[in-house]
Amino acid sequence: DAGVIQSPRHEVTEMGQEVTLRCKPISGHNSLFWYRQTMMRGLELLIYFNNNVPIDDSGMPEDRFSAKMPNASFSTLKIQPSEPRDSAVYFCASSRTSSDSYNEQFFGPGTRLTVL
Amino acid sequence: GEDVEQSLFLSVREGDSSVINCTYTDSSSTYLYWYKQEPGAGLQLLTYIFSNMDMKQDQRLTVLLNKKDKHLSLRIADTQTGDSAIYFCAEKGGGYQKVTFGIGTKLQVIP
Repeated sequence: DAGVIQSPRHEVTEMGQEVTLRCKPISGHNSLFWYRQTMMRGLELLIYFNNNVPIDDSGMPEDRFSAKMPNASFSTLKIQPSEPRDSAVYFCASSRTSSDSYNEQFFGPGTRLTVL
Repeated sequence: GEDVEQSLFLSVREGDSSVINCTYTDSSSTYLYWYKQEPGAGLQLLTYIFSNMDMKQDQRLTVLLNKKDKHLSLRIADTQTGDSAIYFCAEKGGGYQKVTFGIGTKLQVIP
């Protein structure tokens, strides 16, 4: 298996531009997570989906952030308009959900976003 | 809400043991985890422990869980330079898929 795939790996954009991050989870996994990592705040859960349905989006910072999962093999995280404080590494992770299992999360390599 | 706390930095000499500590607040935690992040990469699960256990050993790794004090530790025996990474403590509550991560402890191994 190729693991969780994220694109792009690096993104540099100017303030005010729209940014779209993409994620392909591991085949057969039914939970997908978007995280943001910064030096100041560590790893923050932004949103998670179960069976393509958003379950918890309480970590989404504000309305500028939106996430979709149109099918089991693809998800996007969009920031519109982007701001310099959005600069971070964004991780996508997936897992195979089971209520009585340890549910390992498999992380993608991340997208390093720089907003100038 | 749930909270997981851990120290930011640990420095040890190669060959010594490393102990990374973590405290958490969720009394209904079912699983607790240690994830490892190497530079420029995503997190990888290193080990986990079920909440009804108090110890788990896996080669050089020993996980200790004190459920009463909500304290989790990871001991790495014979620490090697390849163990240099950021180690994240995490916990999962019952019946819910959200995992709460700590801020990560950066382990520096001095040759």
